[in-house]
Amino acid sequence: QKEVEQDPGPLSVPEGAIVSLNCTYSNSAFQYFMWYRQYSRKGPELLMYTYSSGNKEDGRFTAQVDKSSKYISLFIRDSQPSDSATYLCATPLGRLYFGRGTQLTVWP
Amino acid sequence: EAQVTQNPRYLITVTGKKLTVTCSQNMNHEYMSWYRQDPGLGLRQIYYSMNVEVTDKGDVPEGYKVSRKEKRNFPLILESPSPNQTSLYFCASSGQHTLTFLTFGAGSRLTVL
Repeated sequence: QKEVEQDPGPLSVPEGAIVSLNCTYSNSAFQYFMWYRQYSRKGPELLMYTYSSGNKEDGRFTAQVDKSSKYISLFIRDSQPSDSATYLCATPLGRLYFGRGTQLTVWP
Repeated sequence: EAQVTQNPRYLITVTGKKLTVTCSQNMNHEYMSWYRQDPGLGLRQIYYSMNVEVTDKGDVPEGYKVSRKEKRNFPLILESPSPNQTSLYFCASSGQHTLTFLTFGAGSRLTVL
C-alpha cells in the first residue's frame, strides 16, 4: 500500500462549482499535510499546508484533515478556470510522500 | 528572486550519451531533491541531499548519480541514459527540516532515443 493514495481523476467542473479533492494516507505518524498545485508545464508550488487535524482556510481554498479516518481534503469554492491544474497532496516523515495528483479542469 | 533553476529545460539525446542536468538554488537551503514525473505514476523521488556531501537514494535511483559539493548545486547525472529515463525531471529544495515547504524548479523534459 502506498503511503499516500490520491484519485488521479481527471475531474471536470463548470465555473463556480465547489470542488472536493481527496487523499488517504496509511501512517498515523504523519503530522503535516500539504497541497501543491501544478500548472501545465510548470513545477509544483505549495498551495496550503495544515498541521495535525482540523481545517485551514485561505480565500476560496479550505484544507481539511481527519486523522481518525486518515483522510485529507482540499475544497475549492467558486472555482475559476484559473484553478485548472493538477493538485497533489503530500505529507513528510523523514522524506516527502506525494499522492499521484488529481487533474482538475474548470470550464467557463 | 528566490528560485530553483534547472538546465537544460528540454533535451533530446541518444541512448548511452552521458548527460548532466544542473540544479541551483539561491535560498541557502540545506535540503535538495530530484524527482521524476511520469503519467499515471506521479512524482517519484530519485535522490535527495540533507546537506553538503550528504546524499541518499530515493524510490527510483537506478541509472542516476548525484553529487552535492556545494550547498547551492545538486546536479543529476545520467551516465548511460536509456529510453526508460525519458521523463519530466524536477529539482526541489527546502530550508525546513519538516519539509513542509518545497520550492520546485520549472522542470527539465528529457527524451532519450
